[in-house]
Amino acid sequence: KAGVTQTPRYLIKTRGQQVTLSCSPISGHRSVSWYQQTPGQGLQFLFEYFSETQRNKGNFPGRFSGRQFSNSRSEMNVSTLELGDSALYLCASSLDWNEQYFGPGTRLTVT
Amino acid sequence: AQSVTQLDSQVPVFEEAPVELRCNYSSSVSVYLFWYVQYPNQGLQLLLKYLSGSTLVKSINGFEAEFNKSQTSFHLRKPSVHISDTAEYFCAVTRMDSSYKLIFGSGTRLLVRP
Repeated sequence: KAGVTQTPRYLIKTRGQQVTLSCSPISGHRSVSWYQQTPGQGLQFLFEYFSETQRNKGNFPGRFSGRQFSNSRSEMNVSTLELGDSALYLCASSLDWNEQYFGPGTRLTVT
Repeated sequence: AQSVTQLDSQVPVFEEAPVELRCNYSSSVSVYLFWYVQYPNQGLQLLLKYLSGSTLVKSINGFEAEFNKSQTSFHLRKPSVHISDTAEYFCAVTRMDSSYKLIFGSGTRLLVRP
């Protein structure tokens, strides 16, 4: 069974631009969560989607948004990029609540 | 709110030596506990988890962790490490009523030397 895939793997954007990251969960998994990983703040929860509905949300500004499609694929969008948004963005999918499978991440660099 | 503390940012150890990576948590509600491992340029992999039952949990590659409720700890141990165990290890908790939101510690880099 294929694992969680994230595209693109690397991305370079300029301040003020917006970006969309994509995550394809493991087949059959309906929950998708997003995390931001930075050297300074570590791993932080962004949000979680289940059956196209956002169920949980972390403490991030409204510039960070996401959505989930009927096939469980998920996207996250960051508008008006700031230098501090440079990070590794990890997506995780779940079938059961007690085990999340992580993708390899998208490394976003904002210049 | 929940929080996780991993006091050791880096733990150097020689190959075949034992190792312990420390994890303490704080929570006003019951939580589930996890250890994840991250190899360079990769995502996170679940190493082991404590949900209920026996307080000692083991992974297939020789790691084990013990849940200690009174000390609010979930330390990770391995009796004999290999070079291939070099990675970053994250302890995480999640509330029992909000199970999809993982709260992570800051991570411990295990550096195994020959």
